[in-house]
Formats: sequence, structure tokens, C-alpha cells
Amino acid sequence: GQQLNQSPQSMFIQEGEDVSMNCTSSSIFNTWLWYKQDPGEGPVLLIALYKAGELTSNGRLTAQFGTTRKDSFLNISASIPSDVGIYFCAGNTNAGKSTFGDGTTLTVKP
Amino acid sequence: GAVVSQHPSRVICKSGTSVKIECRSLDFQATTMFWYRQFPKQSLMLMATSNEGSKATYEQGVEKDKFLINHASLTLSTLTVTSAHPEDSSFYICSAIQPDRTEAFFGQGTRLTVV
Repeated sequence: GQQLNQSPQSMFIQEGEDVSMNCTSSSIFNTWLWYKQDPGEGPVLLIALYKAGELTSNGRLTAQFGTTRKDSFLNISASIPSDVGIYFCAGNTNAGKSTFGDGTTLTVKP
Repeated sequence: GAVVSQHPSRVICKSGTSVKIECRSLDFQATTMFWYRQFPKQSLMLMATSNEGSKATYEQGVEKDKFLINHASLTLSTLTVTSAHPEDSSFYICSAIQPDRTEAFFGQGTRLTVV
């Protein structure tokens, strides 16, 4: 089946630093999504990408849909303590079915 | 964004009993909903795709007779874990997509503990 490789697995950064994480796949996806999950909660959609090469921002977050449609990255600028959580990438087919990466656990030290 | 509500958020049940989890789309009609399972420190694994008015499509390795899915209306899908056992303890999460869209919105999740 389809698999997503998400890296890094975890990050420990200082408040104010920028963060970058990415996902790659051997399969092509029509949509790339980035979610954040807090403990005990469901994932919350951060950014959705629909076209190859698309670059989209949401506040301090920026994500890009790779031109090959097999990869995507998420950047967080000027991190703050509330950015702590697990970030998941997900690739969607036309049917809306999501394949998730393994997640990146972000820790922000004040 | 679209709102998906999942209930209950936590449930503890005895081994051998059945548990029903509800997933509702509050401000849109969802012809398709998805059910995921998440073990601690792991990613979300798709269990099944729930289509309104038709049978659910289960992923390989998921027992359809154990995890009963009913999508009786455009705003409600239910997952029933039948004859639950301790190994069924997990975090179950639903998601729903709006018509003609591909991004999914997730419910809050249900923490199931079978004792």
C-alpha cells in the first residue's frame, strides 16, 4: 500500500526558532494535508495543498506541495510554546482517503 | 472550517460487551466518513470508509463483523465495536469530507478502554 515517510521523527527547539519538517512518498497524491494533534484530541487541519508546486501560508505556517506530487514540507517560523504537539502529513487520493505519515513530535523550550 | 463531533470522548467497557461511537458532521452533509484507529505514539491507521446509504469499505485486516459501521444519514456515522476485548483498547477517530472536497476534518476522538 501507499506509505509516507515523514521526518524528522522528533524535534527539540528553542522558542523563536524556525522549524521544518517534510514528507515523501513513492506514490502520487492529489492533495497534501498537514495536521496538528494535541494529546487526547483528534487532528486539526492546518494547511491543505491542492496543486503541484503550490505554496500556502497560514499565519506562521508555510507548506508546499512538491512538483513531483510525491512530497511536501511544512515550515513553522518563530516557534512559540503552544506549537508543541505532533504534526502529521497526509496524502489524499480523489476518494478523500488519507494516508498518514508517522508524525513529527515538536517540543519547544521557552 | 467544517465541524465534526464525535461522542463519547471516553468510554470504559467490560470485556465481551459492545460499544457504539458516533460521528456527526455538524455544519455540512458528509456523504463519506472515515474511521481511524490510533495506538499510543503511533500514526492514524484507516479502518474503513463509510458511505451514506451503502455498506462500508474495510481496509485489509479489519474485521467487518467486529467493527460494525452504519452511515444512516448524511450527517451521522456510527462505529460499533462488538464483543470488545482488551486488545481493542485504542483511540478511535472519525473524519468527514465535504461534497466535492478532498480535505478531511476530524472528530475529537474516542478513547476506548476495555477492562
